[in-house]
This record gives sequence, C-alpha cells and structure tokens, in this order.
Amino acid sequence: DAGVTQSPTHLIKTRGQQVTLRCSPKSGHDTVSWYQQALGQGPQFIFQYYEEEERQRGNFPDRFSGHQFPNYSSELNVNALLLGDSALYLCASRLQTSYEQYFGPGTRLTVT
Amino acid sequence: AQRVTQPEKLLSVFKGAPVELKCNYSYSGSPELFWYVQYSRQRLQLLLRHISRESIKGFTADLNKGETSFHLKKPFAQEEDSAMYYCALRGFSGGYQKVTFGTGTKLQVIP
Repeated sequence: DAGVTQSPTHLIKTRGQQVTLRCSPKSGHDTVSWYQQALGQGPQFIFQYYEEEERQRGNFPDRFSGHQFPNYSSELNVNALLLGDSALYLCASRLQTSYEQYFGPGTRLTVT
Repeated sequence: AQRVTQPEKLLSVFKGAPVELKCNYSYSGSPELFWYVQYSRQRLQLLLRHISRESIKGFTADLNKGETSFHLKKPFAQEEDSAMYYCALRGFSGGYQKVTFGTGTKLQVIP
C-alpha cells in the first residue's frame, strides 16, 4: 500500500484560472479531508468528504469545491485562482470510525 | 469555534536538554488533542493523542483543562527529534469531525 497519494506534485497556474487536484486515500479508508498549508503556517481545514458528500467545511469561499468518487478518491477544485491561493494542498484519509488521519505528500500550487 | 495556539515558531535546544513545546487551545466542548510531527522531506504524521496517555519516542503530553494546554515534553532531546511539530484539536459538529492545527513549532536540536 502506497498510502495516500496525490497528483500532481507541483502545479503552476495563472490568476483567474481553475485547478483540479487529486487524492487517492490509503487502502481501506473511506473519509478524505483537504487542507491548505500556506508557507510558515499550519494546515488549514478546507473540507471533508464521506460517502461522496461534503460533511464538514472550514472557512473557505465557494471557489473551493470538491468531490468524492465511489472508490473513495477525491478531487479538490479551485476556481478563479487568486495569488493568495498559492500553498501546499494536503489530502488526508482515515476510516470514518477512526481518529487517525494519514497524510499525503501534498500538491504545491503556485499562482502567478 | 475551535482554536489552537503555538506561541513559539522556533525552539532551539542542545542535545540532552529537556524539551517543552507549548500548545494552548480554545474549544467549547470536550477537546481531543493531538501532536503531529513532520520530519524533513517526510509527510505529516501523528505523534501522539492525549487520550492514549502514551509515550512515543520519549515524548509525552498531558491535557490540562484548567489551563487549556497540551504541552509536548521530552526529558532529553535527541538530534533526530529535529522537526516541525504541530498541535491539533479535533472537534465535532453535526456528528462529523473537524481538525484544527496550530501554526507549528520548529524544534532544532543542537549537537
């Protein structure tokens, strides 16, 4: 098991564009959470998906949306990119019944 | 609202010296606290959980509800302890969890 995987590793986009980031959870996990980690900051919770529905959301605008597929993999979409969206985006997976999250390596998004 | 504060961005200690990484929290319910660690070029990973009351790699952390703190301690620092440490709080809303992280403290152990 490769654990949580994320793609792509790095991404450069222009302000105003849209981006899609992908996450495959650890084998057997059914719950996926996304975090934004700006430089020098801790991870900030964006949202959590379980049973293909968004179950919890942090303080992020509607430009941030997501999806979970029947195989539990997930996508994070960001529309109308701003310079301030430049960050490391982390995906974490777990079993819904467990507290322990496993993190992926992250996708580094740069908005120019 | 739930909030986690780590007042120190950087903590430098000599090898063999005691370590205390500070964490304070704010949460209206019964908190569940964690420490996560990120070693250089590795993924963020769980170090310990307050409910477990266990010692991992020599680290312990006690939840002090009166002071709303969850400081991470180790009696004798080792070079391999150098890493970023994040305190995190798990809260619940509508039956689903939300994890809030602090801004992190970089621990630098000087040989």
